[in-house]
Amino acid sequence: QQQVKQSPQSLIVQKGGISIINCAYENTAFDYFPWYQQFPGKGPALLIAIRPDVSEKKEGRFTISFNKSAKQFSLHIMDSQPGDSATYFCAASKNDYKLSFGAGTTVTVRA
Amino acid sequence: NAGVTQTPKFRVLKTGQSMTLLCAQDMNHEYMYWYRQDPGMGLRLIHYSVGEGTTAKGEVPDGYNVSRLKKQNFLLGLESAAPSQTSVYFCASRGPPQGPSYGYTFGSGTRLTVV
Repeated sequence: QQQVKQSPQSLIVQKGGISIINCAYENTAFDYFPWYQQFPGKGPALLIAIRPDVSEKKEGRFTISFNKSAKQFSLHIMDSQPGDSATYFCAASKNDYKLSFGAGTTVTVRA
Repeated sequence: NAGVTQTPKFRVLKTGQSMTLLCAQDMNHEYMYWYRQDPGMGLRLIHYSVGEGTTAKGEVPDGYNVSRLKKQNFLLGLESAAPSQTSVYFCASRGPPQGPSYGYTFGSGTRLTVV
């Protein structure tokens, strides 16, 4: 079974709106939580990552929120743009060398 | 351009045929991975390698074999293809840490259809 559960499967947001994607995990040994962005026909690319010693990390319009006690983390895309339309994957790993991915969320930003 | 190159990009196989997918990276990365991507299931790890001459099983290794004879190359083999192996296959390599992030670089994928 998947070690990282991701929701929703898809979402539609208006340009300028906020997209929120949630992930949950069970393995408390996980110590690295990245998010990947994938455009059609391309491989995934690292977007932003966090370690459990911080509760939030922001890079531009992208923010990861991390709740260690709830074993959950989420990606917030602020001021969503049409160019953000892509599939987003959360992932987690222990000791940083094997990533377990969520099922993915397809984000569509309507102009 | 530095990165991960996968060949071929597309392939159609008949059930029972064999083939090898090639992954090459020019970043001198130690760690390399093969994932398969299926709708609604994300990416699942097939096999991985932590250095030249080493390989290890991932989540879904059955029906696949791998070899890492040279540091820059990681080969994925299907000995007797089955329709269940229809998927998009991604190779990735992992570089040294950059702050809190690890530099996983993915190739552009191989779309395999088994009929």
